[in-house]
Amino acid sequence: EADIYQTPRYLVIGTGKKITLECSQTMGHDKMYWYQQDPGMELHLIHYSYGVNSTEKGDLSSESTVSRIRTEHFPLTLESARPSHTSQYLCASSEPHRYEQYFGPGTRLTVT
Amino acid sequence: GESVGLHLPTLSVQEGDNSIINCAYSNSASDYFIWYKQESGKGPQFIIDIRSNMDKRQGQRVTVLLNKTVKHLSLQIAATQPGDSAVYFCAENRVTGGGNKLTFGTGTQLKVEL
Repeated sequence: EADIYQTPRYLVIGTGKKITLECSQTMGHDKMYWYQQDPGMELHLIHYSYGVNSTEKGDLSSESTVSRIRTEHFPLTLESARPSHTSQYLCASSEPHRYEQYFGPGTRLTVT
Repeated sequence: GESVGLHLPTLSVQEGDNSIINCAYSNSASDYFIWYKQESGKGPQFIIDIRSNMDKRQGQRVTVLLNKTVKHLSLQIAATQPGDSAVYFCAENRVTGGGNKLTFGTGTQLKVEL
């Protein structure tokens, strides 16, 4: 079981605030991913990275941005939060040459 | 981030019965498939996977069947237990430049009745 951590677990914040969701993994995985998941719905890929200094947009358009300065760290930032950003954000990572992804516990974001 | 609806397909089974959860995938070029289990308030957890050159794979109490002709995947859980209650997602893998991406299907809520 991979060790992948997300903080905070829950966040309630007002419209217009800047937020950063943290994701860290201790397995040395090169590949990392961010998904957005609304309650009871499927996961949608919003960002991914195949290594340091590599970031790509996913299948679902998102106003968030990501960075990958260190292998173990893949933070997601919203410059100005809006109620439409209310959702659960899941971070995942995977080993080189393997397809299965290991997920963190998620951050449930509510923008009021 | 708004939900269109919250109507997850639901499967209710009695404790001890076998469960079968189905999934249709879209891309005939997908080469690998995974089943995940997601409990309330947690991230998805890997259950079992299968490559496209196989049609069946067994794990502990779980079996995945792959029918490439009709692009259908199923997860069978033997002797379902209360701890199996969760949402189950299938995911298909596509190789992209430099790596791979998983595309998740609509989940199925499994409810185990005592």
